[in-house]
Amino acid sequence: KAGVTQTPRYLIKTRGQQVTLSCSPISGHRSVSWYQQTPGQGLQFLFEYFSETQRNKGNFPGRFSGRQFSNSRSEMNVSTLELGDSALYLCASSLRRLAGGTGELFFGEGSRLTVL
Amino acid sequence: GDSVTQMEGPVTLSEEAFLTINCTYTATGYPSLFWYVQYPGEGLQLLLKATKADDKGSNKGFEATYRKETTSFHLEKGSVQVSDSAVYFCALKELNKFYFGSGTKLNVKP
Repeated sequence: KAGVTQTPRYLIKTRGQQVTLSCSPISGHRSVSWYQQTPGQGLQFLFEYFSETQRNKGNFPGRFSGRQFSNSRSEMNVSTLELGDSALYLCASSLRRLAGGTGELFFGEGSRLTVL
Repeated sequence: GDSVTQMEGPVTLSEEAFLTINCTYTATGYPSLFWYVQYPGEGLQLLLKATKADDKGSNKGFEATYRKETTSFHLEKGSVQVSDSAVYFCALKELNKFYFGSGTKLNVKP
């Protein structure tokens, strides 16, 4: 069973540009979450999508956005890049359950963004 | 609100030493608890989990017991190896939301 696939793995952008990152979840997983990981702030939750709808959102500015397609693949976009956006962006998929349950997260290897 | 607090690192141990990484949590209900591990250059991998009080999760020699009375989920391993060097994250899940600790870096020296 293929794991969570993120593309691209590495990318370099300059301030003011925008970037789109892609995530393909494990087959059958309909929930996709995005996290930003930096040395100083640790893992920070960006948003979660389930059935093409954003279900939860973290505390990030509107420059960070996402979407989910009917095949559960997800993209996140960061516009007007700032130096502080340099980070590892992790995508995770899960079997979301309405009543909770374990539904652990399965992570991809991440997309490492460097903003110059 | 819900939160997870874990001991700050880095933790440096010699091979075959005993490992404990402390994790305590705050939750409003009955969360599931997890330990994830991140090896250099990789994403997070689930190490073990527990879904209710007194459950013990275990995997690859690591163990953690869900202690509701002390709201803790400490990670332990009896004899660490160099290959265990990584960052360990404690996490809880409640109502489809995950909350992660800040991570503890473990360095194991030969």
